[in-house]
Amino acid sequence: DGGITQSPKYLFRKEGQNVTLSCEQNLNHDAMYWYRQDPGQGLRLIYYSQIVNDFQKGDIAEGYSVSREKKESFPLTVTSAQKNPTAFYLCASRVAGDYYGYTFGSGTRLTVV
Amino acid sequence: EDQVTQSPEALRLQEGESSSLNCSYTVSGLRGLSWYRQDPGKGPEFLFTLYSAGEEKEKERLKATLTKKESFLHITAPKPEDSATYLCAVQADFGNEKLTFGTGTRLTIIP
Repeated sequence: DGGITQSPKYLFRKEGQNVTLSCEQNLNHDAMYWYRQDPGQGLRLIYYSQIVNDFQKGDIAEGYSVSREKKESFPLTVTSAQKNPTAFYLCASRVAGDYYGYTFGSGTRLTVV
Repeated sequence: EDQVTQSPEALRLQEGESSSLNCSYTVSGLRGLSWYRQDPGKGPEFLFTLYSAGEEKEKERLKATLTKKESFLHITAPKPEDSATYLCAVQADFGNEKLTFGTGTRLTIIP
């Protein structure tokens, strides 16, 4: 079955460390997104990519970086510059030109220890 | 700035007790409004999108409607498995990749 796989499900980061969250999709979707979800807040867009080797900043890109070397993959790195990284991170994808019907992964919960 | 406000924050219903969730929005030219269902610890699941005022869409016990200022998600005779957080999201204008999400309504259906 097609879908989006995020790994790991749980991730613990020490202060000053960079960590990378994996997102892989086999839906042949062109566009991919990273959102952050915090309690009491709506999902907030971190980065998005509409084609391979191209990506744009969302509303809260500071302290994060991404790459899109393959259509299927869109990893997110949470750098030490992100001051409050503890959150639930969600990866999503959609068919190009279809602005709705995002398919989401199951998320990665990142905790700073 | 686009804004989405959902109410109530939480709603507890008895099984079979119908009710509605509200999503009010402020956006510069609505491209569309979507509803998602999210179970605890999971990613949101797409339900449907409404594109113009007066439009209605249904899925099982759920029915969504849209006006120029708000959307309602009506739940008819809910079952315990309908318990989840329901999220509303809007997209403004063509060419804008950003979805603006509300904070959701946490729905609990009591057997």
